[in-house]
Amino acid sequence: EDKVVQSPLSLVVHEGDTVTLNCSYEVTNFRSLLWYKQEKKAPTFLFMLTSSGIEKKSGRLSSILDKKELFSILNITATQTGDSAIYLCAGVWGSNYKLTFGKGTLLTVNP
Amino acid sequence: GAVVSQHPSRVICKSGTSVKIECRSLDFQATTMFWYRQFPKKSLMLMATSNEGSKATYEQGVEKDKFLINHASLTLSTLTVTSAHPEDSSFYICSASLISSSYEQYFGPGTRLTVT
Repeated sequence: EDKVVQSPLSLVVHEGDTVTLNCSYEVTNFRSLLWYKQEKKAPTFLFMLTSSGIEKKSGRLSSILDKKELFSILNITATQTGDSAIYLCAGVWGSNYKLTFGKGTLLTVNP
Repeated sequence: GAVVSQHPSRVICKSGTSVKIECRSLDFQATTMFWYRQFPKKSLMLMATSNEGSKATYEQGVEKDKFLINHASLTLSTLTVTSAHPEDSSFYICSASLISSSYEQYFGPGTRLTVT
C-alpha cells in the first residue's frame, strides 16, 4: 500500500528559528513529490520535486528530494508567525497522477 | 494563474436531501479533477478522480451512487452528495491538474458541508 509519512506531526518554534520538516514515502510508480501549505482552507502549492538532489527555493522556503532514500525535506529559515500552518507532502503515483497525502506537520511559530 | 474555485463555500442541509458542489478551473483547462474529503485534524482523503467526458474513478470504500461526480467540460466538475446524512458532514476539496504539467494539482478553497 502506498504511504507517505511526515515528521514531526507538530512543531512549535519561535520567530527567527529555522525548521526542517520531513517526508518519507513508499509509493509505487512514483512520479513526483509535492509540498503544500494549508492554513484555514484548502492547501496552497509550494513545490513539486521530481529529480533527486535538486533543491527548489522560494524565498525562505526550500525543498529537496532524495529518490534513493525515498524522502524529502522542507526547510523554512527565519520563520515568521505567518508561517504557522499545516505543511502537507504528497506523493504522485500511477498513470492518473493521484496524490497520496501524509498526515501533515502542524507548525506553530510564536512571536 | 492556476486558480480553482468552488461553490458553495459553505452549505447546511437536512438529512435526506442532496447537495451539489461545483469545482471550476478559472484560467486553465483541466483534463483531470480530483475530489477529496478532509475530516478535522486529518489529512486529505482522495475520493475520486474525474476525467473530462468519462466516468469518474472512485477510491475503494467510496460509494459512487452516493457521491455522484460529473465532469462535463474541461473547466467544470461537480460532486453531488445524494441523500445526505450527518456522517457526510465534512470539508470537501477539489483539485485540478494543468494539462501541460499534470503532476501539479491546484486546490479549490473547499466546501464545508454540514448535514443536520
